[in-house]
Amino acid sequence: DVKVTQSSRYLVKRTGEKVFLECVQDMDHENMFWYRQDPGLGLRLIYFSYDVKMKEKGDIPEGYSVSREKKERFSLILESASTNQTSMYLCASSLPSSSNQPQHFGDGTRLSIL
Amino acid sequence: AQRVTQPEKLLSVFKGAPVELKCNYSYSGSPELFWYVQYSRQRLQLLLRHISRESIKGFTADLNKGETSFHLKKPFAQEEDSAMYYCARSRGRILTGGGNKLTFGTGTQLKVEL
Repeated sequence: DVKVTQSSRYLVKRTGEKVFLECVQDMDHENMFWYRQDPGLGLRLIYFSYDVKMKEKGDIPEGYSVSREKKERFSLILESASTNQTSMYLCASSLPSSSNQPQHFGDGTRLSIL
Repeated sequence: AQRVTQPEKLLSVFKGAPVELKCNYSYSGSPELFWYVQYSRQRLQLLLRHISRESIKGFTADLNKGETSFHLKKPFAQEEDSAMYYCARSRGRILTGGGNKLTFGTGTQLKVEL
């Protein structure tokens, strides 16, 4: 069974801090994704990566960056945290395939920026 | 822009009643459609995908290209069906590594009452 592990379930940080959210998957998936989940807005894609060191912006990349130095790990970085980045963050991974493979999600990190 | 519309934020039904969660998508090519579900305190997980044409936990969803809809249905709701349901569509291929980005709807909270 695919396991996507996010390092923290809950995180509280202060405005202006640099914040790192970590995600690790154990199934050798090429594709990894970061979303934020907000009530009434659903899931919105922040960034995704299709291979080591390869990344592309999603729909709402402003204020975020990512790092994929190893295949199993995909990090989301808030360069200078702001209160409007308080949210639930979900990491996901998927197989590369000619057909659409489902995305497998982690438990999420609930981030509060004070 | 590719969109997924779930018109109901909250759907409340009684146990044993039929359930229909609505999903409409913007037409663009031949997308793949998915339903994801998130039970309380659990991770988001795939419920079903249209190409599988399967029934999962009594739920089915038929792709109607004419109406660009992918409504999720179950004839008799159970208490354990209470959850947040997200409809999602594929959008454009990840050119390298395969797989696909997804566009999610805003979600429908299903509450099954006794």
